[in-house]
Amino acid sequence: GQSLEQPSEVTAVEGAIVQINCTYQTSGFYGLSWYQQHDGGAPTFLSYNALDGLEETGRFSSFLSRSDSYGYLLLQELQMKDSASYFCAVREQAGTALIFGKGTTLSVSS
Amino acid sequence: DAGVIQSPRHEVTEMGQEVTLRCKPISGHDYLFWYRQTMMRGLELLIYFNNNVPIDDSGMPEDRFSAKMPNASFSTLKIQPSEPRDSAVYFCASSLAGRSYEQYFGPGTRLTVT
Repeated sequence: GQSLEQPSEVTAVEGAIVQINCTYQTSGFYGLSWYQQHDGGAPTFLSYNALDGLEETGRFSSFLSRSDSYGYLLLQELQMKDSASYFCAVREQAGTALIFGKGTTLSVSS
Repeated sequence: DAGVIQSPRHEVTEMGQEVTLRCKPISGHDYLFWYRQTMMRGLELLIYFNNNVPIDDSGMPEDRFSAKMPNASFSTLKIQPSEPRDSAVYFCASSLAGRSYEQYFGPGTRLTVT
């Protein structure tokens, strides 16, 4: 079967660094995406990893290890506005839809 | 670009009624996806289209659900008859060919079936 595991909740304070892990078990693997969703809003695309290693986009970075079926999203210099749900999603094949994890709710406090 | 447009934003209906959700994808995008989001089940893919052709509808819960894409700029998701367990937020998303990992979501339709 298919499964994506990520922690349900993470809490942190402003200015801190937080890492949200995602482990996956799918029939195929083409790449791992990350999405952010604020309360009442729509998911928005953050990053995509197809190859092993770290991809950096401003305060956010995403990492992938294909051999370990594992990835993470790293958020640095946390701000209150980063409080949201974060979803990892696997693309099993090129041109196919994404399989989403259940999401991690990040709460940033001052 | 206006982004993905969905209507209505909110829908309250009674059990047994027909519900039609509408979506206009971003112009030029080749893929269109319909998702349902609930607290219990998370974000579930219902069906997706490539160049207006349904590719995978295995996520459609049952025969009460149907989706169409008559042209590149319009899609509908219909529930007939609706049931209380269909209450959820329904999202439409679109993407470019070759970039289905980067999907642009509409604002969603919050459906409540009483």
